[in-house]
Amino acid sequence: EPEVTQTPSHQVTQMGQEVILRCVPISNHLYFYWYRQILGQKVEFLVSFYNNEISEKSEIFDDQFSVERPDGSNFTLKIRSTKLEDSAMYFCAIQGGREETQYFGPGTRLLVL
Amino acid sequence: AQTVTQSQPEMSVQEAETVTLSCTYDTSESDYYLFWYKQPPSRQMILVIRQEAYKQQNATENRFSVNFQKAAKSFSLKISDSQLGDAAMYFCAYLNRDDKIIFGKGTRLHILP
Repeated sequence: EPEVTQTPSHQVTQMGQEVILRCVPISNHLYFYWYRQILGQKVEFLVSFYNNEISEKSEIFDDQFSVERPDGSNFTLKIRSTKLEDSAMYFCAIQGGREETQYFGPGTRLLVL
Repeated sequence: AQTVTQSQPEMSVQEAETVTLSCTYDTSESDYYLFWYKQPPSRQMILVIRQEAYKQQNATENRFSVNFQKAAKSFSLKISDSQLGDAAMYFCAYLNRDDKIIFGKGTRLHILP
């Protein structure tokens, strides 16, 4: 099973601040995804990223969100100006191993105060 | 748009017994993938089992098996010989043509010693 790590594991930030969440797959992958889970709710798709471009994004993924792969390995999710409602668990996923299967990282718990 | 419904918010089972978690989905696609993910208290998302819609044979992974009824759009998870470590939130998930996973709201499974 492909391995994915995410940093930081926890982040606390003030409303209006920028945060960058990082995803590091252990081996090379082309397909990346971000999901989020607000506490007590279901997991929601944010964005998919293939070959250094966004391939799909949800209505949640508005202008304050961006993704990039700055150095060919790390995959980042940036939230430009955080809001209270951005507090959630953010999961990175990669497609790999078995066909059409997404494997999730351990998540970053973001708390916006 | 596809939807995934898990009608059991919580379930309990005695250790060593068998439990079945229900899931139904709605789609107009003919080819897709279905998954069950487990989320323990650590909140990591762990793949339990997957099913390709074009395969009639039900998937099995050790103590975990599914009952996939394509015509009924039903995808239940059976856990045999339940163990304390199986206690978690279980999410049924659908992978659509856009590579986006759609999750159900989850079923919290308690294992009674």
